[in-house]
Amino acid sequence: QKEVEQNSGPLSVPEGAIASLNCTYSDRGSQSFFWYRQYSGKSPELIMSIYSNGDKEDGRFTAQLNKASQYVSLLIRDSQPSDSATYLCAVRSPGGYQKVTFGTGTKLQVIP
Amino acid sequence: NAGVTQTPKFRILKIGQSMTLQCTQDMNHNYMYWYRQDPGMGLKLIYYSVGAGITDKGEVPNGYNVSRSTTEDFPLRLELAAPSQTSVYFCASSPGPENTEAFFGQGTRLTVV
Repeated sequence: QKEVEQNSGPLSVPEGAIASLNCTYSDRGSQSFFWYRQYSGKSPELIMSIYSNGDKEDGRFTAQLNKASQYVSLLIRDSQPSDSATYLCAVRSPGGYQKVTFGTGTKLQVIP
Repeated sequence: NAGVTQTPKFRILKIGQSMTLQCTQDMNHNYMYWYRQDPGMGLKLIYYSVGAGITDKGEVPNGYNVSRSTTEDFPLRLELAAPSQTSVYFCASSPGPENTEAFFGQGTRLTVV
């Protein structure tokens, strides 16, 4: 089982719709969860972090965490073509240097 | 504010050649990381450092070496390049494990032929 799993996509949504991106992780002791956005040919940039169960909202983005079910999701409301990118889920595990493991990413395409 | 700067942006190496990927950050971050990203894959940690003089292996360290003589610089050395090392390399830094937002450099696209 992969430590962090994401559907590779592509996930296609029409402009203005809600995009829902999902991520599951295997280490129950994981403490922190991150969503990075990566445009093609560019470096990843952090868009959301979440540490406790529930929802965290930032503008059009909402991160949702359910530690009991070991999943974390990202909702993008009012999707824009500029949101078209690959979204990487990252999970920080306890112990040692508290390594951060990245998923393979979900490619999102917002259709105008 | 430059952030994390990597050089070069592109490089083609022949099998068996060596090179150093440079990484410098001006945010006074203690933690620095080297990742590689293969097409359609996530980021794999090669090496990391928690401060000057301290480095350790990540998930995929074979074929690479690092040093951390200053807080700012964290070069990655490739010895005897192999086609399997063709990838995009990202350097990143963060203040520490507690504030684990990582700031990434712009990447180095390396091709080994």
